[in-house]
Amino acid sequence: GQQVMQIPQYQHVQEGEDFTTYCNSSTTLSNIQWYKQRPGGHPVFLIQLVKSGEVKKQKRLTFQFGEAKKNSSLHITATQTTDVGTYFCAGNSGGSNYKLTFGKGTLLTVNP
Amino acid sequence: NAGVTQTPKFRVLKTGQSMTLLCAQDMNHEYMYWYRQDPGMGLRLIHYSVGEGTTAKGEVPDGYNVSRLKKQNFLLGLESAAPSQTSVYFCASSYSRPSTDTQYFGPGTRLTVL
Repeated sequence: GQQVMQIPQYQHVQEGEDFTTYCNSSTTLSNIQWYKQRPGGHPVFLIQLVKSGEVKKQKRLTFQFGEAKKNSSLHITATQTTDVGTYFCAGNSGGSNYKLTFGKGTLLTVNP
Repeated sequence: NAGVTQTPKFRVLKTGQSMTLLCAQDMNHEYMYWYRQDPGMGLRLIHYSVGEGTTAKGEVPDGYNVSRLKKQNFLLGLESAAPSQTSVYFCASSYSRPSTDTQYFGPGTRLTVL
């Protein structure tokens, strides 16, 4: 079945440093979604990428979808303490597949 | 709009007991999902529904049953709870299929089975 791998599992940074998490799928994806989960909270949708090579930005966050639509990344510039949480990627292979397959997530902690 | 709500928020069961988790959404979404989240394992899909009266198995369905009698509600049942079912359970819903639409998550139910 479809597998989505995400690295690193943990990342601790000093406030102001950059952060990147990577996502790799075992199969070609129709789309990929990114979610953020604050400690003790629930996953919240951040963005969806659909096109090959797509790049989207949300303020300090930059999301990329690979040319082959099998990998993606999330980059945060100049982290802040409000960025703390677990970032998940989730992929769907499209067609009649009604399921999102989530990566195991990257827990980001930020030292002020 | 309340969005996606889950009942209860916390529950402690003894091995062998049964319980039902209730998920309700007021967004008129067709698709609903039940996930479990364990440390280091991410979110794993238990069961899902693509519309009222339909259910399907996800990645880890054993030991669970579901029902979608009304469009707005999705129930997750544990007939005979086991310690391995200790987890945080999240319900989610979406208007359309995952290839086009985002999922909205409920606040979660923290279940402990002793």
